[in-house]
Amino acid sequence: EAQVTQNPRYLITVTGKKLTVTCSQNMNHEYMSWYRQDPGLGLRQIYYSMNVEVTDKGDVPEGYKVSRKEKRNFPLILESPSPNQTSLYFCASSLSKGQNTEAFFGQGTRLTVV
Amino acid sequence: AQKITQTQPGMFVQEKEAVTLDCTYDTSDPSYGLFWYKQPSSGEMIFLIYQGSYDQQNATEGRYSLNFQKARKSANLVISASQLGDSAMYFCALGGSYGKLTFGQGTILTVHP
Repeated sequence: EAQVTQNPRYLITVTGKKLTVTCSQNMNHEYMSWYRQDPGLGLRQIYYSMNVEVTDKGDVPEGYKVSRKEKRNFPLILESPSPNQTSLYFCASSLSKGQNTEAFFGQGTRLTVV
Repeated sequence: AQKITQTQPGMFVQEKEAVTLDCTYDTSDPSYGLFWYKQPSSGEMIFLIYQGSYDQQNATEGRYSLNFQKARKSANLVISASQLGDSAMYFCALGGSYGKLTFGQGTILTVHP
């Protein structure tokens, strides 16, 4: 089954403790993104990757890092989480770079930073 | 810059009736795509329907249809014969380069029995 898998689904952590949210897709998609969802703001792109070893900032990259060492994996790293990073996070992948390409989303990761 | 606006924070509809969720957009790209996603209370993002900017006809997918008015830059979602399971958050999104989607703020739809 074609899917995007995120782990963990739920995470509560303390301020400053490094964490990684994993994302893996089995569709051989080149393009992957991370979004965060906050009430009243919809989803906003954090980082995206066009291919292995090629990543770039989205609209809200501060406080986050990503890596793309393999095509299927695109982890999101919070080196020193803060309470304002409490949010619902989604990983997404798409087949091509065009504006008409559907994005496939993971199940979401609900992160709470206390 | 791309922008999507959903002006209805919440909508209510009676079961079996039709409902329209509004979406307006702004982009300078001549070619673009508009997407609608459903987010139930469980949180996942479910793709519903897509409309390309050069598509001649409005998109339809089962009970979902997209009322696309290019000159007015609107892409409203119409759900016919609403069901209780349609209660969810609905997002309109504008497709950009490298698979990026620009999302609206979302509309919470509540279907009453």
